[in-house]
Amino acid sequence: GAGVSQSPRYKVTKRGQDVALRCDPISGHVSLYWYRQALGQGPEFLTYFNYEAQQDKSGLPNDRFSAERPEGSISTLTIQRTEQRDSAMYRCASSLGGQGPYNEQFFGPGTRLTVL
Amino acid sequence: KQEVTQIPAALSVPEGENLVLNCSFTDSAIYNLQWFRQDPGKGLTSLLLIQSSQREQTSGRLNASLDKSSGRSTLYIAASQPGDSATYLCAGDYGGSQGNLIFGKGTKLSVKP
Repeated sequence: GAGVSQSPRYKVTKRGQDVALRCDPISGHVSLYWYRQALGQGPEFLTYFNYEAQQDKSGLPNDRFSAERPEGSISTLTIQRTEQRDSAMYRCASSLGGQGPYNEQFFGPGTRLTVL
Repeated sequence: KQEVTQIPAALSVPEGENLVLNCSFTDSAIYNLQWFRQDPGKGLTSLLLIQSSQREQTSGRLNASLDKSSGRSTLYIAASQPGDSATYLCAGDYGGSQGNLIFGKGTKLSVKP
C-alpha cells in the first residue's frame, strides 16, 4: 500500500447534495494536491497543502468547494450543494515537498463524481 | 498566463516505430517538467521528471529532453509496443508558492500491432 489512495472511486449524487472526497497520501509526503480533470483535458489545480497548512486555494472554483488536512496526512475535499457542472474526475497527488526532484508528484486513481 | 501545449493531440503508429511527443510551455521560468502516462480508468503514472538544471532524463525506452530557452520538451519512445498505448501528459512545475503542476491536454498514443 505504498501509493496514493482515494475514496470513493466513484460517487453518484443528486444535485444539491454535499459530497466529501478523501485522499490518503504516500506516507511521509509533506505536500498534498487536489486537481480536477474534465474529459479530454489535463488536470487543473484546485488547492494544495504543506503539512496541515493550506498553501494555495486559488484554483477552487467557488466557495462551495473547501478542503482540509487537519493532521497533515489524510485530506478531504468537500463540495457543498453540488451542481451538474461539478461532475468530473477529482485527482489527488502527493510529494515529498520542496524543489527539484523532491516535488515529483504521485497521483492516486481519482474519484469519478457524477452529479445528476 | 502559464500555459502548456501538447502536439499532436492524437498519434497512431505501427509497432516498433520510434516516436516523439512534443510539449511546449509559455513561461521559461520552470523548475521541473514532469511527463505522465494516463490509462483509461486509472490514475496518472509519473514517467520522468526533468529539473530545470538538466537537459534530459532517461528511463528504459523513454527519453525526455528539456530546452528552457525555447520553451519545449520532448518525450522520445523507442521501439514502441502496443502496451505503450495511452495518453501522455506533460506538466510544468513553476515552484515557489505555486506548488501546482500546469498540465497540457495530452497526446493520445495508439500503437498498432
